[in-house]
Amino acid sequence: QQQVKQSPQSLIVQKGGISIINCAYENTAFDYFPWYQQFPGKGPALLIAIRPDVSEKKEGRFTISFNKSAKQFSLHIMDSQPGDSATYFCAASRGDQGGKLIFGQGTELSVKP
Amino acid sequence: KAGVTQTPRYLIKTRGQQVTLSCSPISGHRSVSWYQQTPGQGLQFLFEYFSETQRNKGNFPGRFSGRQFSNSRSEMNVSTLELGDSALYLCASSVGSGNTEAFFGQGTRLTVV
Repeated sequence: QQQVKQSPQSLIVQKGGISIINCAYENTAFDYFPWYQQFPGKGPALLIAIRPDVSEKKEGRFTISFNKSAKQFSLHIMDSQPGDSATYFCAASRGDQGGKLIFGQGTELSVKP
Repeated sequence: KAGVTQTPRYLIKTRGQQVTLSCSPISGHRSVSWYQQTPGQGLQFLFEYFSETQRNKGNFPGRFSGRQFSNSRSEMNVSTLELGDSALYLCASSVGSGNTEAFFGQGTRLTVV
């Protein structure tokens, strides 16, 4: 019940295309869903986050779509660029567990020029 | 504003030894969480400290411990190192004790030989 399942494991997209990464969770107590971007040799960087009272959140080229009834959320990267090539992690946490984040397994995104 | 600082960046230790890793959170942040990142297991939560108290603990053996000081800096200790402890250890800081934005440091790469 504490798992977050992320797919696909790897993704290749052409420059200018849309990258879509999906996550699913079981525990309905989760109430915070962030996405992180990680480059090799670096720590994860917070990209964008959403709470269940909102179905979509957009920041620049990054959009989170959230489906509470399906217990799924996804990251869309519009106009993907080679500089977006990185590993992306979804995560979830619950308010009664403070800062404990449960991470998905990660998606390695490669954007081809 | 300085980010999360982890020291050292790289460490090589021998099986059976112990190691101490350090994390300085963003100024004003009172919560520090620790994660272990490996290719096989991904990002796994170790523990969280808030105002010098451990708030939450992941499923790791007692060889993994931590503490937080009055200035919010945190240390984690691993005793009796095993080869399987080789990993990237990440520290994340956030303002408060709830599930809010968490910012990661660059990590400490620990290699056990």
